[in-house]
Amino acid sequence: DTGVSQNPRHKITKRGQNVTFRCDPISEHNRLYWYRQTLGQGPEFLTYFQNEAQLEKSRLLSDRFSAERPKGSFSTLEIQRTEQGDSAMYLCASSQGGTGASNQPQHFGDGTRLSIL
Amino acid sequence: DAKTTQPPSMDCAEGRAANLPCNHSTISGNEYVYWYRQIHSQGPQYIIHGLKNNETNEMASLIITEDRKSSTLILPHATLRDTAVYYCIVRVGTGTASKLTFGTGTRLQVTL
Repeated sequence: DTGVSQNPRHKITKRGQNVTFRCDPISEHNRLYWYRQTLGQGPEFLTYFQNEAQLEKSRLLSDRFSAERPKGSFSTLEIQRTEQGDSAMYLCASSQGGTGASNQPQHFGDGTRLSIL
Repeated sequence: DAKTTQPPSMDCAEGRAANLPCNHSTISGNEYVYWYRQIHSQGPQYIIHGLKNNETNEMASLIITEDRKSSTLILPHATLRDTAVYYCIVRVGTGTASKLTFGTGTRLQVTL
């Protein structure tokens, strides 16, 4: 079990640039989640995939944010035209879904820390 | 999902048991209690979860009151490596793959 992997670990970019983060879930997990965490706060839900289908999006996910999971394995989160307020830790989690498995815990990666200059 | 209330911070001496309380007085019958912790600069780490019965694993024990309105996470022999923010989360566990709603947690400081 290699755990949830996120890349890059750190990203520094200028305001207005586009950034993309990648998440590789635990291999047998079909559910994948993105969260955002700002300093001193707990993580906040952004969006969720079951296999390749994006099933839920938070109102925090503005139209500058887009997430994909094209083959139901890894996922990418893109932020276009970054703003200062986008500075945060972006966390990915995965879990096993299916009948009787809805209470299975989510397992998190160590996140990508985004800093906007 | 039901809201949870946790003390903002706690201290514990190394080697002693750490007992972290959580109030979830509005919990529904199909909601589970989950505990995660987050060590600085890392992602949240799953610890344990339960519905009604007390649970124990290699990391911790979870004690849920009979009325399910509160619970306690017990780290039996705290070490310095257990210093972290501990989150108690209540989440629907049937029929949906619902998100986790984190509060601000309890910052546990384990000291020598």
